[in-house]
Amino acid sequence: GQSLEQPSEVTAVEGAIVQINCTYQTSGFYGLSWYQQHDGGAPTFLSYNGLDGLEETGRFSSFLSRSDSYGYLLLQELQMKDSASYFCAVRSPQDTGRRALTFGSGTRLQVQP
Amino acid sequence: ETGVTQTPRHLVMGMTNKKSLKCEQHLGHNAMYWYKQSAKKPLELMFVYSLEERVENNSVPSRFSPECPNSSHLFLHLHTLQPEDSALYLCASSQKGPTATNEKLFFGSGTQLSVL
Repeated sequence: GQSLEQPSEVTAVEGAIVQINCTYQTSGFYGLSWYQQHDGGAPTFLSYNGLDGLEETGRFSSFLSRSDSYGYLLLQELQMKDSASYFCAVRSPQDTGRRALTFGSGTRLQVQP
Repeated sequence: ETGVTQTPRHLVMGMTNKKSLKCEQHLGHNAMYWYKQSAKKPLELMFVYSLEERVENNSVPSRFSPECPNSSHLFLHLHTLQPEDSALYLCASSQKGPTATNEKLFFGSGTQLSVL
């Protein structure tokens, strides 16, 4: 089966940098994605890593190490609007044999003034 | 707006009721999904409709029945639910390609379901 581990909660202050880690165990691997979900809102896609290394998109960056089955999401210059839940997800073969996204339990980020 | 619309936003039902959740996507995608989101648990994939093919998570009880009449619409029919089925039900769509590596899911805002 598939499993992902990420911290349940993280707190940081405005303007700071925060890193949300994700470790995974899968029977196959086709990339690590990150999604953001504000309270009462829809999860929205943030980033994707198919290969090792760092991907940067504005204030957000995501990193992957396939040999360590590990990735992280880095948020810089934190703003109050970044308070949300962040989910890592891996694409891997499911029990059906088809590839689909398996999500972690999510990390709730609280940004304080 | 994500291009994926779900109705209703909230639903309260008794265990003997029958209700349906509706999802519509305006993105021209060729795959649609139902996910269940419970508090402090991972999003759980329930069903996938892709290129007119249905793929199920074998752990989903038969009291949940999906229907996908076309590539833009997806329903989840509910009957004789249990209180533990109370959760946020999310619909998503994506464009599946031949390699389907960097596949992005576009989610609706969900239906918050309470079973009494």
